[in-house]
Amino acid sequence: DQQVKQNSPSLSVQEGRISILNCDYTNSMFDYFLWYKKYPAEGPTFLISISSIKDKNEDGRFTVFLNKSAKHLSLHIVPSQPGDSAVYFCAANSGYALNFGKGTSLLVTP
Amino acid sequence: DAGITQSPRHKVTETGTPVTLRCHQTENHRYMYWYRQDPGHGLRLIHYSYGVKDTDKGEVSDGYSVSRSKTEDFLLTLESATSSQTSVYFCAISGTKNIQYFGAGTRLSVL
Repeated sequence: DQQVKQNSPSLSVQEGRISILNCDYTNSMFDYFLWYKKYPAEGPTFLISISSIKDKNEDGRFTVFLNKSAKHLSLHIVPSQPGDSAVYFCAANSGYALNFGKGTSLLVTP
Repeated sequence: DAGITQSPRHKVTETGTPVTLRCHQTENHRYMYWYRQDPGHGLRLIHYSYGVKDTDKGEVSDGYSVSRSKTEDFLLTLESATSSQTSVYFCAISGTKNIQYFGAGTRLSVL
């Protein structure tokens, strides 16, 4: 039973434009949300997070938005760069463990 | 990799053989985790540890056991490997219950 869902397996964006990656969750007890970035043959790298008491967190080109009433969060990357091409995982904290979505593969084309 | 070393990085083994994967950290973090990543499934938690000798099961723990005799080491054992355990295994550590930092992974093939 997938509690964290990333419904878009892939996304293609032109360099310089905005990338928007979406994530939905079902468990209202989740109180902390994270985004990880993963390159092939490497481990996931922590990117940005947000607590459930906030609705926005920004770090450079990356912004995460949280809509608790819709149980939805999104990651915005502006401007997108070719080096951003990777798989992005959304995760939600549940006690000691993280629940991960299946990931969205982002391709940023020149 | 936030002071996390996984060994081996690659392993090929035969069905029915025991396999142990090691995760070593230099961060003195309390929490350690083992995940597996498979196509179409994202990352799924196998087992985790919240202290020396304190472990608990995750979502996909069947066929796996773990041990943590020292803060820095967390071992994942497949007692009798099966082809369904062919996967990429990631270890993660955390100093709090929120942000986890991952190792580079171990690619395991069970033939």
